[in-house]
Amino acid sequence: SQQGEEDPQALSIQEGENATMNCSYKTSINNLQWYRQNSGRGLVHLILIRSNEREKHSGRLRVTLDTSKKSSSLLITASRAADTASYFCATDGTGANNLFFGTGTRLTVIP
Amino acid sequence: EAEVAQSPRYKITEKSQAVAFWCDPISGHATLYWYRQILGQGPELLVQFQDESVVDDSQLPKDRFSAERLKGVDSTLKIQPAELGDSAMYLCASSPGTDDTIYFGEGSWLTVV
Repeated sequence: SQQGEEDPQALSIQEGENATMNCSYKTSINNLQWYRQNSGRGLVHLILIRSNEREKHSGRLRVTLDTSKKSSSLLITASRAADTASYFCATDGTGANNLFFGTGTRLTVIP
Repeated sequence: EAEVAQSPRYKITEKSQAVAFWCDPISGHATLYWYRQILGQGPELLVQFQDESVVDDSQLPKDRFSAERLKGVDSTLKIQPAELGDSAMYLCASSPGTDDTIYFGEGSWLTVV
C-alpha cells in the first residue's frame, strides 16, 4: 500500500508553541500533500511538495521531504487555537494523480 | 475563491434504500474524485474520472455503488441498496489535471439506520 502514516496520532500543545507532525510512506511518489480537516468538515489543502523538493514554506507552515527515508514533516509555528484540527499527509503514486491518505494526526491547541 | 460544491450536506436513510450524492467540481477541472471517509480514518478513493471517463474504480463496490460524470462536468454517486456499513462521509474532489493539487468539497455525511 502507498498509504501515508502520520505520527503522532494525537498531539496536544499550548497556544504559541510549535507543532511537528511526521509522515512516512512506502513507495515512490511524484508529490506529497498536507491537508487539514476541522471536525466534520472537508479537507483543506495546505501545501504540496514535489519529490525533487526538500523544503517548502507557507506562512507559519514548514514542510520537509526526505525521499531517501520516505518521510515528511509538517511544522506549524506559533500555534493558535484555530489550528486545532486533524492533519493528513497524502501521497500520490508515480503515474497516478490520486491520493493515498494516512489516518491523520489530531492536533489540539490549548488557549 | 472557486470551490467544489456537494449536496446534500447530510443524509439519513434507511437500510436497503437508495441514496445519491451530487458534486460540481471547480470550473475547468478535468479530474474528479469521489472519496469515502469513515469516522477516525483517512479518506479512501472510490472512483476517479478524467473528463467523462472512469480512470480508476478499483475500490468502488460495484454491486451497490455507481458513479457517473456524463458531460464531464458534475457527477453523481449512487448507493443502492444502502447498508449500515456505508455510514461515512463522502467527499468529492477535483484537480486541473495530473500531478496537481487536489481540492476537496465539504463532504456529504451519510447515516444509514
